Amino acid sequence: DIQMTQSPSSLSASVGDRVTITCRASQTIRSYLNWYQQKPGKAPKLLIYAASTLQSGVPSRFSGSGSGTDFTLTISSLQPEDFATYYCQQSYGSPFTFGPGTKVDIK
Amino acid sequence: EVQLVESGGGLVEAGGSLRLACAVSGFSFSNAWMNWVRQAPGKGLEWVGRIESESDGGTTDYAAPVKGRFTISRDDSKNTLYLQMNSLRTEDTAVYYCTTLTNPPDSYYYFMDVWGKGTTVTVSS
Repeated sequence: DIQMTQSPSSLSASVGDRVTITCRASQTIRSYLNWYQQKPGKAPKLLIYAASTLQSGVPSRFSGSGSGTDFTLTISSLQPEDFATYYCQQSYGSPFTFGPGTKVDIK
Repeated sequence: EVQLVESGGGLVEAGGSLRLACAVSGFSFSNAWMNWVRQAPGKGLEWVGRIESESDGGTTDYAAPVKGRFTISRDDSKNTLYLQMNSLRTEDTAVYYCTTLTNPPDSYYYFMDVWGKGTTVTVSS
């Protein structure tokens, strides 16, 4: 199975900050990498697919990059509604594994 | 409006069975590939399994922890996805989400773009 790791596991940031979350795969997954946002008590929401394609309706302050084994989710200017947990997920091979999540909270 | 609504969760004893359902509306269910994803209390997301559309073969695939115990099926006439869970264990306690599994035309980039609100399964010892 392909293992996904994320760093950091949590971070504290202020509104307006630039935030970067890293995701690493245990083997190459080319660009088969998705990012999701989850708020407490809610279902996850797709933000980015194919490593860098923004899902329709997602604000442009979110961006994704990377290929192979190393990927990044960037929030260019953190907004109050962005405080949540973020998960990466690979769709290169079965099982479709998720990273452990990165919790972004208010500093 | 695209909507997925899960039902069937509840409290069950270890070793028991439960069947979850996911009612779909707002899109062509018969053409959709579908997933189940779960989340144990206070934990991260775990993919459970998927089912392809019947026109693509209807193939199912499962995560190792549930293989042989869980079965995903679909009734396209009822626009409903199912998850039959047998031989339940306490570690199966989680919120279970159904999701679409979508890929853009001429692409193999699969992603889970529509999620239900989830249904809670609690397995007691």
